[in-house]
Amino acid sequence: EPEVTQTPSHQVTQMGQEVILRCVPISNHLYFYWYRQILGQKVEFLVSFYNNEISEKSEIFDDQFSVERPDGSNFTLKIRSTKLEDSAMYFCASSTTKYEQYFGPGTRLTVT
Amino acid sequence: QKEVEQDPGPLSVPEGAIVSLNCTYSNSAFQYFMWYRQYSRKGPELLMYTYSSGNKEDGRFTAQVDKSSKYISLFIRDSQPSDSATYLCAMSAGGTYKYIFGTGTRLKVLA
Repeated sequence: EPEVTQTPSHQVTQMGQEVILRCVPISNHLYFYWYRQILGQKVEFLVSFYNNEISEKSEIFDDQFSVERPDGSNFTLKIRSTKLEDSAMYFCASSTTKYEQYFGPGTRLTVT
Repeated sequence: QKEVEQDPGPLSVPEGAIVSLNCTYSNSAFQYFMWYRQYSRKGPELLMYTYSSGNKEDGRFTAQVDKSSKYISLFIRDSQPSDSATYLCAMSAGGTYKYIFGTGTRLKVLA
């Protein structure tokens, strides 16, 4: 069964460093998303991406964040200058329509 | 009032029991309702997706939506220890890509 994959599974970085989280969505999906989940808290929407542009973003997704689909298969989330409060699980998701979003296993980001 | 509310549990039931998981919401614009299962330190796994009011059944799982009460439920029949996980409800209004999640209910099915 096709699934969303994410790399790395765990990323440790120092405050102020840039990180890139990578995702390979399900191959025939057209909509791509990033969510995050701070430990013990709910899953929160960051951004959606369709037709090579951001279609919607939350107030969390500020200028420190960017997304890109550099080729036909990868979808990336970049955090330019990480802060301690960026420590969280980051989930990529994809879907064929706006709904029925399928999530990847997540990347645990630890900012020290 | 929180947009989506969900009892965090934990909810402990014996194997074979019928489990009822619920969410309430305040935003009447929500039209799409999803249930996800999340094992510890894993990604949410889509279980059920319903649009508007009504029931939907898939194997041992039944999802119910009551828009008039702003209340959704997930029923699990013949629960198994492997069902032990956190169950997340998620909702979306028409015209938006954003899911709003509940905090999740932790379920333990005891063998």
